[in-house]
Amino acid sequence: GNSVTQMEGPVTLSEEAFLTINCTYTATGYPSLFWYVQYPGEGLQLLLKATKADDKGSNKGFEATYRKETTSFHLEKGSVQVSDSAVYFCALKGGGGADGLTFGKGTHLIIQP
Amino acid sequence: DTAVSQTPKYLVTQMGNDKSIKCEQNLGHDTMYWYKQDSKKFLKIMFSYNNKELIINETVPNRFSPKSPDKAHLNLHINSLELGDSAVYFCASEAVGTGELFFGEGSRLTVL
Repeated sequence: GNSVTQMEGPVTLSEEAFLTINCTYTATGYPSLFWYVQYPGEGLQLLLKATKADDKGSNKGFEATYRKETTSFHLEKGSVQVSDSAVYFCALKGGGGADGLTFGKGTHLIIQP
Repeated sequence: DTAVSQTPKYLVTQMGNDKSIKCEQNLGHDTMYWYKQDSKKFLKIMFSYNNKELIINETVPNRFSPKSPDKAHLNLHINSLELGDSAVYFCASEAVGTGELFFGEGSRLTVL
């Protein structure tokens, strides 16, 4: 079956540091890959996505590249801010129907001023 | 106008009671989901509906019963609540097949 593995954290960084959150996946076929973000007390929001190999998703300074050869979709940001503190979820969608997303366990990111 | 809204946001109840959580979306999506998030933030899909038809029913106790009166609504009824049901329950909708889910704010259920 499908699965997503990501570093669980918490990850604590200083403001303006470089961020990497690793994500690897197992899936049959060619899944679409996503990063979702959950701010405290809120539901998840889509941050970025990539639908095929070598695609790069980007939004709000965050980037992730779909690497089929390493089955990875690592999230990066060059300079984090306190407002980026949240839980980040890597996810995949295996098929085109109403089968939902398979989520990783989430990575809690804490940015200190 | 909230795209996906859930009520109630907080629910505290005793073991053995029956409770419901309501969800409505105004995005015109055909697909809706219920997810359960535990205390460690792990998200697990419970049910998915497409145009009022049940598509996914994961290994969830049959005390949990979803109901979709129309494609804009997906409610969750829980019978005989147990301590282990304490969690945050999220409703989400999706334009079918896109993987772009829109989540509600969650309903925090505490069973005492």
